[in-house]
Amino acid sequence: NAGVTQTPKFRVLKTGQSMTLLCAQDMNHEYMYWYRQDPGMGLRLIHYSVGEGTTAKGEVPDGYNVSRLKKQNFLLGLESAAPSQTSVYFCASRTTGGSEKLFFGSGTQLSVL
Amino acid sequence: ELKVEQNPLFLSMQEGKNYTIYCNYSTTSDRLYWYRQDPGKSLESLFVLLSNGAVKQEGRLMASLDTKARLSTLHITAAVHDLSATYFCAGFNSGGGADGLTFGKGTHLIIQP
Repeated sequence: NAGVTQTPKFRVLKTGQSMTLLCAQDMNHEYMYWYRQDPGMGLRLIHYSVGEGTTAKGEVPDGYNVSRLKKQNFLLGLESAAPSQTSVYFCASRTTGGSEKLFFGSGTQLSVL
Repeated sequence: ELKVEQNPLFLSMQEGKNYTIYCNYSTTSDRLYWYRQDPGKSLESLFVLLSNGAVKQEGRLMASLDTKARLSTLHITAAVHDLSATYFCAGFNSGGGADGLTFGKGTHLIIQP
């Protein structure tokens, strides 16, 4: 079982460049999330989606956009990268109907120079 | 808005000792989660606690939930080096606002021989 797959695993950008992170899940989950993890900060929610075609803002949405055109994919875009966006990005999807358990991808290490 | 606080944030202990990590949360959260993260890796689900008084155990780790006190604990019994990792607790945002989990900042646990 692939579970939640993130690509790429590593990326280095220059300030002002754009990029898209891809998250794919094969568990037929409705809910998907993008988090960022910074040292000493835990994980903070950037955006999330409750189903195909829907997106919503989380705690730290500024500078990011997302799209959920297909149920299995959740894309995170940076239109004009800034050094403050250097972080590790995790995608997750979750079950419904009880434990609401989140499954995480392996993460993307992004450096913005 | 749900807030989650863990303490301690850093813990160094000797093998064979017992210790407890505490997780306090600010508003109603009917589900509490514990995750483990090894350096450079993703988050691994340890426990999902769904009701007041819930207790779950896996090996040397035991988690409990007291919804009245808004407190969850992760107890480590007779620690071994392999348990060295960062442990996160997270509450589910069930009271409105953004969907998903709100994480504590994590407890960095080092177990020394």
